Amino acid sequence: EIVLTQSPGTLSLSPGERATLSCRASQSVSNSYLAWYQQKPGQAPRLLIYGASSTATGIPDRFSGSGSGTDFTLTIRRLEPEDFAVYYCQWYGSSPPWTFGQGTKVEIK
Amino acid sequence: QVQLVESGGGVVQPGGSLRLSCATSGFTFSNYDMHWVRQAPGKGLEWVAFIRDDGVNKYSADSLKGRFTISRDNSKNTLYLQMNSLRAEDTAVYYCAKVFSIVEAGTVMWGFGPWGQGTLVTVSS
Repeated sequence: EIVLTQSPGTLSLSPGERATLSCRASQSVSNSYLAWYQQKPGQAPRLLIYGASSTATGIPDRFSGSGSGTDFTLTIRRLEPEDFAVYYCQWYGSSPPWTFGQGTKVEIK
Repeated sequence: QVQLVESGGGVVQPGGSLRLSCATSGFTFSNYDMHWVRQAPGKGLEWVAFIRDDGVNKYSADSLKGRFTISRDNSKNTLYLQMNSLRAEDTAVYYCAKVFSIVEAGTVMWGFGPWGQGTLVTVSS
């Protein structure tokens, strides 16, 4: 089973700042299988990034993903007020379980 | 547009059963694999179960110890989750999610999306 560890648990930043979120896998994974989601309070998660670095339809270009092997990063170039939320990485491999990281909360400083 | 609407949540006593439904529209349901994911209050996302488009292959989280069963009715465009022997730790919002897949540069990439709005299951006496 792939275990994903996200850091930090909470990121306190101001609007306009850059956010860098980390996701580390317990073993090397294919980039194709790494996704990122955004979840706002009271809402369902939304797919942001697939294939580690491809942005889903309708997602602003201030969001970007990178990484390979065991280390992946979600970057939000300049935080907008609507970006303060919880972010999850996920491994979507060819067999279960399809695990999520524990999440990183991006909060207003 | 693609819509997924969960229903069937509520309050149930420990040891009880509940069946969740996820009604879908806006896409050819029978062509897509589907998942259930849950989120306990104040906690992260936990994958629960998966079913292939034809309903033949299914998987569920080992932690559930066979208590939950995923199924689908492609004629009704609906996904189900039968939950038995419910425990307090099953209290959560349950989401259904469509599998997202795309081919780019000859590589298939995956994700969950879109998701339904969720239905709350509370296991309490």
